Amino acid sequence: GENVEQHPSTLSVQEGDSAVIKCTYSDSASNYFPWYKQELGKRPQLIIDIRSNVGEKKDQRIAVTLNKTAKHFSLHITETQPEDSAVYFCAASGGGATNKLIFGTGTLLAVQP
Amino acid sequence: DSGVTQTPKHLITATGQRVTLRCSPRSGDLSVYWYQQSLDQGLQFLIQYYNGEERAKGNILERFSAQQFPDLHSELNLSSLELGDSALYFCASSVLPDTEAFFGQGTRLTVV
Repeated sequence: GENVEQHPSTLSVQEGDSAVIKCTYSDSASNYFPWYKQELGKRPQLIIDIRSNVGEKKDQRIAVTLNKTAKHFSLHITETQPEDSAVYFCAASGGGATNKLIFGTGTLLAVQP
Repeated sequence: DSGVTQTPKHLITATGQRVTLRCSPRSGDLSVYWYQQSLDQGLQFLIQYYNGEERAKGNILERFSAQQFPDLHSELNLSSLELGDSALYFCASSVLPDTEAFFGQGTRLTVV
């Protein structure tokens, strides 16, 4: 079945450094790849997404890259700030007729001041 | 506020009981998803509906069932509850299955 693997499970960086989170997906028919941020006690919220016809997308300090051949995509956060501390989830959707939105296991990002 | 409403916000019930969680999607959204998030766990996909029809199923237990009504609100029914069913249950909605999904605030279920 469909599966999304996410690494690392925890990531600690110093304020101002960059953070990279990587995901791989199993269903080659997937065509939509969103990233969600979940702060403690709150709902997940979309921070950026990318479709399979695009290799890279950037929004201020956040960027996502997609390699369809290798079936992996990554989230890059530059100039990290303490408020970036949260759990980040990648997801993949659009595979076949079911269009399930499957999430990775999450990465707990801690930005040390 | 995402526009997705879930009720109740908290629910405490005993083992063996049955509960119903309710979700009202954003206006105009036809897709509804249900996820289970246990403590320190990720978002486990349970089931998805699109315009009233079941579209996809995840690892949803046979004790769990869901439906989407003509007005597009959805209900998740959990029966014969066990301690391990204690979790945060999220509903999300989107216009189409492969567009941004907006999450509700979740229902915290505690089984004692």
